[in-house]
Amino acid sequence: GDSVTQMEGPVTLSEEAFLTINCTYTATGYPSLFWYVQYPGEGLQLLLKATKADDKGSNKGFEATYRKETTSFHLEKGSVQVSDSAVYFCALRDTDKLIFGTGTRLQVFP
Amino acid sequence: DAGVIQSPRHEVTEMGQEVTLRCKPISGHNSLFWYRQTMMRGLELLIYFNNNVPIDDSGMPEDRFSAKMPNASFSTLKIQPSEPRDSAVYFCASSFSSQETQYFGPGTRLLVL
Repeated sequence: GDSVTQMEGPVTLSEEAFLTINCTYTATGYPSLFWYVQYPGEGLQLLLKATKADDKGSNKGFEATYRKETTSFHLEKGSVQVSDSAVYFCALRDTDKLIFGTGTRLQVFP
Repeated sequence: DAGVIQSPRHEVTEMGQEVTLRCKPISGHNSLFWYRQTMMRGLELLIYFNNNVPIDDSGMPEDRFSAKMPNASFSTLKIQPSEPRDSAVYFCASSFSSQETQYFGPGTRLLVL
């Protein structure tokens, strides 16, 4: 079945460092891809999405490009802030259901 | 916009008790999803509804779990009887349709002793 694999966390960075969180997927069809973010004590919020190959999703300085050839959707940000500390989930949707990765915790220190 | 509303935010109960979690989706949304989040299994879809009708309940772990959506603005997830392994955070999400972006509630943190 469809699945999403994310890099293990936690990822620990200093403020203004470059961020990459790897995400790869397995799907039989042509899924839409998503990054959700979960701040402590809160529900998940959609961060960005891409619906077809080569699409780039972007929001709040974060970017991810839908790479069909490598079945990847890596999350990047050029300069992280302490306020970006959260858990990041990669997800795919093929039909109606979202399938999530296990999440990657990001910790940013001043 | 109030967003998705869940209650209670925290629930502590004893094994064997009945637990009812509640969700009010965003007004105008036609799809509603129940998820469970645990350290061991991550985020799992339990069940989802379109226009108040259950579409896929294959994620519901066992007969102890049941979900209803009596109208477009309210859904419940019931566990009877509860067990310690049901301890988790339960999220409700809603969307305009099952193909649209899902908006999550803040979750209910359940602890079964």
